[in-house]
Amino acid sequence: ELKVEQNPLFLSMQEGKNYTIYCNYSTTSDRLYWYRQDPGKSLESLFVLLSNGAVKQEGRLMASLDTKARLSTLHITAAVHDLSATYFCAVEEDPYSGAGSYQLTFGKGTKLSVIP
Amino acid sequence: GAVVSQHPSRVICKSGTSVKIECRSLDFQATTMFWYRQFPKKSLMLMATSNEGSKATYEQGVEKDKFLINHASLTLSTLTVTSAHPEDSSFYICSARDKRGFNEQFFGPGTRLTVL
Repeated sequence: ELKVEQNPLFLSMQEGKNYTIYCNYSTTSDRLYWYRQDPGKSLESLFVLLSNGAVKQEGRLMASLDTKARLSTLHITAAVHDLSATYFCAVEEDPYSGAGSYQLTFGKGTKLSVIP
Repeated sequence: GAVVSQHPSRVICKSGTSVKIECRSLDFQATTMFWYRQFPKKSLMLMATSNEGSKATYEQGVEKDKFLINHASLTLSTLTVTSAHPEDSSFYICSARDKRGFNEQFFGPGTRLTVL
C-alpha cells in the first residue's frame, strides 16, 4: 500500500521568510503532484513532476522530485500572505503495478499560515 | 488545463433522502473519473474509480450500495448518496483523467453535502 507523508502538517511563517515542505512516499513512482486548497474550495494544481530530478518553479514556489529518495519538496521563497492555504502532495500509483487506473494517494496536507 | 464541473456546488437535504451529484468533463473525454470525499481539515480520501461503460471500483470500506456511481458517458459521472444520514455530510470532489498528454487528473470544484 502506497503511503504518503507530508511534513510539517502545520506551518506558521513570517512574510519574507523561506521554508520547505517535504513529501515522502513509500513505493516506486515517477509522478508526483502538488496542489493548493483554499478554505471551502477544491484543489488547484500547482505542479506536476514526472521524472527524477524534475524541478518546476512558479512565482515564489518551487517543487522538486527525487524518485530515488522517494522525496519531493515544495520550497517557498519570501513568503507573502497570499500563499496562506493548505498544500497537498499526491503520488500517482504506477498504472502497471496492479493498483491500476492512475490513482492518486494524497498526503495529509500542510496548512500554511503566513503572518505579516 | 482541462475543465471539470460539478453540480450542485452545495446541497442540504433531510436524513433519509437521496442526493445525486454530477461530474462533467467540459472540454475533454474522460474514460476514468474518480470520486473523493474530504472531511473538515482532513485530506482527500478516494472513494471509487469510475470507468465509462463499466462498474465502478470502490475502495475498501466504501459501501457501494450507499454510494452509487454511474459513468454513462465519456463526459459524465454521477454519484448518488442513497438514504443519506448526517454522517454522510462531507465535501465530495470528483476528478477526471485526461488521456491527452500524460493522464493528469483535473479536479472539479466540489460539492458540499449537508444532511440534516
